[in-house]
Amino acid sequence: EIVMTQSPATLSVSPGERATLSCRASQSVSSNLAWYQQKPGQPPRLLFHGASTRATGIAARFSGSGSGTEFTLTISSLQSEDFAVYYCQQYNNWPATFGGGTKVEIK
Amino acid sequence: EVQLLESGGGLVQPGGSLRLSCATSGFTFSSYALSWVRQAPGKGLEWVSGFPSRSGNTFYAASVKGRFTISRDISINTLYLQMNSLRDDDTAVYYCTKGLNSGSSSQIFDSWGQGTLVTVSS
Repeated sequence: EIVMTQSPATLSVSPGERATLSCRASQSVSSNLAWYQQKPGQPPRLLFHGASTRATGIAARFSGSGSGTEFTLTISSLQSEDFAVYYCQQYNNWPATFGGGTKVEIK
Repeated sequence: EVQLLESGGGLVQPGGSLRLSCATSGFTFSSYALSWVRQAPGKGLEWVSGFPSRSGNTFYAASVKGRFTISRDISINTLYLQMNSLRDDDTAVYYCTKGLNSGSSSQIFDSWGQGTLVTVSS
């Protein structure tokens, strides 16, 4: 099973600032990496697949990058609605595995 | 519009059983990968079980293998999860999820239900 590790666990950012979230895989997953956003009391929402392909309706201030074992989710200018928990997930191998999440909170 | 509606959660004693259902609409049920993903209170996401698209093969996480059974009824577009020998650590919100691409087994979860809470406690 591929282990996904996210850092940091919590990121404190002021509105309008840039946020950079990291995700590392225990072995190469090529570009088979997805990112999800989850707000309290809601199911996760798909943000990216293929490491950098934005899902339908996702704002351009979100960007994804990376391949192999190192991946990054960047939010260029945080809006109030972006404060949430973000998960990365590999789907290169069955079963899919998720990282532990990064909580983006208001500084 | 894709809809996934879970039901069947509740409070059950350790060792007990529950069957979760996920009624779906808005897509060709048999053409997409379908999975159950769970989230323990205050914790992260864990894939539990799934059908990789058209194939009738089923897959399970090691933590539930031998205790949980996934099934589907294509005639009524419904996914099920039979959970037996439940343990305290099975307590979680269980989400029904759909894969992104028709005919693909890739586990990109583009649609999620609202979830159903399973609480295992004496």
